[in-house]
This record gives sequence, C-alpha cells and structure tokens, in this order.
Amino acid sequence: QVQLQESGPGLVKPSGTLSLTCAVSGGSISSNNWWTWVRQPPGKGLEWIGEIYHSGSANYNPSLKSRVTISIEKSKNQFSLKLSSVTAADTAIYYCAREFSPESSYDYMDVWGKGTTVSVSS
Amino acid sequence: SSELTQDPAVSVAWGQTVRITCQGDSLRTYFASWYQQKPRQAPVLVIYGKNNRPSGISDRFSGSSSGSTASLTITGAQAADEADYYCNSRDSSGNHLVFGTGTKVTVL
Repeated sequence: QVQLQESGPGLVKPSGTLSLTCAVSGGSISSNNWWTWVRQPPGKGLEWIGEIYHSGSANYNPSLKSRVTISIEKSKNQFSLKLSSVTAADTAIYYCAREFSPESSYDYMDVWGKGTTVSVSS
Repeated sequence: SSELTQDPAVSVAWGQTVRITCQGDSLRTYFASWYQQKPRQAPVLVIYGKNNRPSGISDRFSGSSSGSTASLTITGAQAADEADYYCNSRDSSGNHLVFGTGTKVTVL
C-alpha cells in the first residue's frame, strides 16, 4: 500500500525558503491522482497549501500562491514544496497526502504522511 | 465564498449520537470529505463523496448533505471518537480545496 514520508529542514530563517519533499513508496507518483500539501500551525486547524498532478499541473491556495511552488520528480517518485519569504506565521506541521478526484463533485485525501514540523526562527 | 464553517466544539454522551455540521456555499455543488484528527497524529479520512467510508472505518460514521450544509454523524459515540473533525471540499471556483474550521468532539 502507498506510504508517504515528508522530509526537510526543521528550522528555517525568516525571509528564507522552506523546502520539503514527500517520498512516495508502494505506488507510483504517476498514478491517476493528485498529490497535496497541507499544514497545521500550532494549536490551529488544517490549511490546504496546494496540489499537483503527475502531468505537472498545479493549483495553489490563493492566500499563498505568490510564495508557493509544488513540483514533481518522477525519477525519484517524490514531490516537493517550496515556500518563499517565510515568517513566523509559516511555523507549522506540514503534511503531504494522496488526493483522489474520482468525480467532478468530490475529492478526498486517503493517505497521509506523518507530518514534519517546521519552525521559522532566527 | 471559499469558507467552510464548523461549530468549534460539541459534546456527546457515551453511546449517543452526535452530528457535526459544515456550512459553505460550495457545498451546494461539491460533496465534503471528513477527517478525524487525534492529538499529535495525522488526519484520517472517515467519510468521502455522498456517503462513503474507507476500508477500516467504523459504520458508526456516516455522511449526508443538504443545500449548503454537509454533516458527519457519529452513532453510538465511544471514547475513541474523541478528536478534532474537519470537513474539506472544493471552493466555489472548483480550483482550490478548503478545510473547515474544525470541530472538537468530546465524549462524556
């Protein structure tokens, strides 16, 4: 079965770029589904960051769009998140997830990574 | 509107039924999916589509939708159901996903 594992630096300096990778095991990054990033600030709710299809087509949260890039690396069976110009408000647990859109009327995220904590601090 | 609104907290007596609601204009077009999150754990999908449960999710969880409101019902609540619950759906543009504000469920 598909498993996801996030990795990346746990500490990023303000104004720097947060870079995370999600490794996909037990399945192909080129399968017929989207791949998604979600974050959760300490003590707060879930926030959708964006999604990417294996074709490279991506959608981003409008509130983050100017700072976010999600990319896919087929040769490594992984996808990545880059968030630029970070501030303390970007401190959060970052999750990657597999997302299905079997019909135009609904989506769901059925497999999640365990999450990785990223703190923004000097 | 791109917002999905949930009650911050609900409580339910052990063995009773609780309904968690999620309100948003986009729910007139899209079904919600529902996620259970326990402390220090990743979210878990419990309901998706019209009323589908992933393998391994108890049939005590069910979903429904009417107008701009989606609902998650837990029948026969147990201590293990204590968690935060989030709805998720497309926004009205259809190009973005959005999570609800979350509901903390306490089983008394």
